[in-house]
Amino acid sequence: NAGVTQTPKFQVLKTGQSMTLQCAQDMNHNSMYWYRQDPGMGLRLIYYSASEGTTDKGEVPNGYNVSRLNKREFSLRLESAAPSQTSVYFCASSRNRWSGGNTIYFGEGSWLTVV
Amino acid sequence: DQQVKQNSPSLSVQEGRISILNCDYTNSMFDYFLWYKKYPAEGPTFLISISSIKDKNEDGRFTVFLNKSAKHLSLHIVPSQPGDSAVYFCAARSQETSGSRLTFGEGTQLTVNP
Repeated sequence: NAGVTQTPKFQVLKTGQSMTLQCAQDMNHNSMYWYRQDPGMGLRLIYYSASEGTTDKGEVPNGYNVSRLNKREFSLRLESAAPSQTSVYFCASSRNRWSGGNTIYFGEGSWLTVV
Repeated sequence: DQQVKQNSPSLSVQEGRISILNCDYTNSMFDYFLWYKKYPAEGPTFLISISSIKDKNEDGRFTVFLNKSAKHLSLHIVPSQPGDSAVYFCAARSQETSGSRLTFGEGTQLTVNP
């Protein structure tokens, strides 16, 4: 029972390099999300995809792009990494319709360091 | 503009005692509130939630209280156990947003001492 799977788990990048974080869910969820977690800042939404074929900006989208490849997969790309993007990144998914309760399921996180 | 705020970065309690974690919010359009629990090196997991039309929801050792007039909610854990040691995030959903977009607080590190 995999749930939400993210890769890679750890990555060190040099400033200016690019990389893509991959995310896949096996729960047949329609909506997917990318959050970042920074000390003292909680979880902040970067981008989300309400359904396959759509993507929208969250609170902190600058410096990122996303692709909803299909219903299962939602990738996050850093085109030119900056030290300010050092963070822990969480992918999440949920059913399309709001039903309260346990709505968002998170992956285990990807630790990214930009030097 | 921090719409969901957890003012206590950390809390330490003795095993068996009550843990009370607090959360304040500013957006009147929030209609659902949730608590997530996070262990190190793991993703957050859902703990308990409450609709804005209620003032209390209980699930075993966990109870969430909502005071809408004060825009304040709290999570009570009774009795606290060492396994409850984790970071707890308060989150809220706005009626203005679609689907399950949540706004999270900064988190509170709970340590339960044996």
